[in-house]
Amino acid sequence: SQTIHQWPATLVQPVGSPLSLECTVEGTSNPNLYWYRQAAGRGLQLLFYSVGIGQISSEVPQNLSASRPQDRQFILSSKKLLLSDSGFYLCAWAPLLAGGYNEQFFGPGTRLTVL
Amino acid sequence: KNQVEQSPQSLIILEGKNCTLQCNYTVSPFSNLRWYKQDTGRGPVSLTIMTFSENTKSNGRYTATLDADTKQSSLHITASQLSDSASYICVVSGPGGSQGNLIFGKGTKLSVKP
Repeated sequence: SQTIHQWPATLVQPVGSPLSLECTVEGTSNPNLYWYRQAAGRGLQLLFYSVGIGQISSEVPQNLSASRPQDRQFILSSKKLLLSDSGFYLCAWAPLLAGGYNEQFFGPGTRLTVL
Repeated sequence: KNQVEQSPQSLIILEGKNCTLQCNYTVSPFSNLRWYKQDTGRGPVSLTIMTFSENTKSNGRYTATLDADTKQSSLHITASQLSDSASYICVVSGPGGSQGNLIFGKGTKLSVKP
């Protein structure tokens, strides 16, 4: 069966510090991978998605970047955090199916607080 | 503009009671609609998924309905339990695309009290 891991579970960082959140998927190959942010009282916002190693698409301009160094590893980064980067970050994976229709499965999330 | 609106924003019910959550969408063209349950501080977990040709789907005490003509969906919870306390998110998908074209509602926060 497939599982998705995220770490750390919680993180408190000062403004201006760097960020690295990691997501890994087990039990599948060639998944589509996604990073979402969920701010308090807001819906999930898609930040990045990846269809393969080294292939990253950004949905919104922002202070963050993403990388996919391995097939089942997705990393969210920032060089200098802003207060507005605080939120709940969710990684998700989806099987690569013909036609693009896919069910997304979410990780446990990382609660980021920028002070 | 593709949007998903959920109501109510929050709801408090007593244990054992039933409740219904609503989802209206303007996503077009439409591929499928999903309901997720998100416990506090956790990732969303899928409850049901329906295509345009399906008008009801059940998962235990959860029953989702879909009216593709009026672009409305509801999630009915029967005999609520304390563990049903969570946010319920309606997600509508347009056709195709690697990003899945998912449009997320803001969710309804349900609190079940003893």
